[in-house]
Amino acid sequence: DAEITQSPRHKITETGRQVTLACHQTWNHNNMFWYRQDLGHGLRLIHYSYGVQDTNKGEVSDGYSVSRSNTEDLPLTLESAASSQTSVYFCASSESRGQETQYFGPGTRLLVL
Amino acid sequence: RKEVEQDPGPFNVPEGATVAFNCTYSNSASQSFFWYRQDCRKEPKLLMSVYSSGNEDGRFTAQLNRASQYISLLIRDSKLSDSATYLCVVNPYNNNDMRFGAGTRLTVKP
Repeated sequence: DAEITQSPRHKITETGRQVTLACHQTWNHNNMFWYRQDLGHGLRLIHYSYGVQDTNKGEVSDGYSVSRSNTEDLPLTLESAASSQTSVYFCASSESRGQETQYFGPGTRLLVL
Repeated sequence: RKEVEQDPGPFNVPEGATVAFNCTYSNSASQSFFWYRQDCRKEPKLLMSVYSSGNEDGRFTAQLNRASQYISLLIRDSKLSDSATYLCVVNPYNNNDMRFGAGTRLTVKP
């Protein structure tokens, strides 16, 4: 079955380190998204991509970067992890710009010490 | 003001009860609206889209009030399995850049 996976599922790191979170989907969806979820906030969009070589900044993009070299993957990189980036990160995908239903991965819990 | 606001709850209701959640949004040009469900420590999943005319899916009814800029979700005959957090989602820019509410937590008790 097609799916969307994230790895690692849990990560502990130290401030200043570079961290990369992986997201992989097998639906062949064009659109992929990264969100963070914090208590008291809704999911907030970090970056998104409408296709290979396309990336766009979301609402809370500072300190994060993404690259889209193929359809299946959108890795999220924290250039220099900060304690404020402790959060749960969700990757999502949707079929096309006209298809708004987003399918979410299981999430990555990141703790920055 | 947040773009999408929800009463965080928690709503604690007995099995069989009817419960309603409201969600307000700030961008009057918003075109698409959704309710997602999120179980504890799990990913959000689409529950239903919200159409201008209102729509129903089994025990769930969604309504949109554009004039007052709110959407609602009504759950009838609550089941234990309905216990979850319900996320209101709005597409204010007519693209895939969705705005999520912080969620309303529902606990259905025996």
